[in-house]
Amino acid sequence: SQQGEEDPQALSIQEGENATMNCSYKTSINNLQWYRQNSGRGLVHLILIRSNEREKHSGRLRVTLDTSKKSSSLLITASRAADTASYFCATPHGNNRLAFGKGNQVVVIP
Amino acid sequence: DGGITQSPKYLFRKEGQNVTLSCEQNLNHDAMYWYRQDPGQGLRLIYYSQIVNDFQKGDIAEGYSVSREKKESFPLTVTSAQKNPTAFYLCASSTGSSYNSPLHFGNGTRLTVT
Repeated sequence: SQQGEEDPQALSIQEGENATMNCSYKTSINNLQWYRQNSGRGLVHLILIRSNEREKHSGRLRVTLDTSKKSSSLLITASRAADTASYFCATPHGNNRLAFGKGNQVVVIP
Repeated sequence: DGGITQSPKYLFRKEGQNVTLSCEQNLNHDAMYWYRQDPGQGLRLIYYSQIVNDFQKGDIAEGYSVSREKKESFPLTVTSAQKNPTAFYLCASSTGSSYNSPLHFGNGTRLTVT
C-alpha cells in the first residue's frame, strides 16, 4: 500500500492565490520528498525535507514537516497558471524504495 | 543537456505480444527505476537497479522483466503474462538510494494493449 497520502485530492484556485496541500504517512521516516507532474509528463523533483527540518523554502514553494503528526504540507504562494499540475509526496518505504501518494491535482485558473 | 530519454512516447500492441520500453540516461547515475502509473493513482515500483548487472523486483514485478547490461540503459519488457499492461510507464534514475536522493524522471511511455 502507498505510504504517502495527499489531501485534498483536487484543488481549483484563482491565479495569484495560495495553494496548500497536505500529505500524511504512517511510519517513521528520515526524509520526505515532493514532486510535480504536468499532464502526460514525467515527475519533477521539487523539495526534499529531512526529519530534523521543520520547514524548507524553494522559490514560491514552502514545505513543512511535522514528524509528531506524521504529516507534511506543500504551500505554493502567488500561484500561476503554469503551476497547474499534480503534486505527489513520497516517503522512504522498504528497501531502497519510495512510496508515492496518489497525487493532488491543482488547477490554477488564469 | 543531461537527462533521461524514454522511447517511444506512445506504444500500441496486441494482446499476447511482448513489448520492450527503452530508457537511457546520460546523468551518470548508478540507480535506475521503472514505475507504473494508472489513472488517478500514484506510482508503483516495478523493478529497480542500483548497479550494472544487478536488479531487484519492486512491488509489482510479475509479468515484467528488465536488464541492466550498461550503466546508461535499463530496458523494461512487458510480457504477455502481465494481465493489465495498459498504463503509463515512467523510468527514473538517481545518484544513490532513492531514500535520500531525488529521482530524475523521463517523460514516460504510454502503452496501450488491445
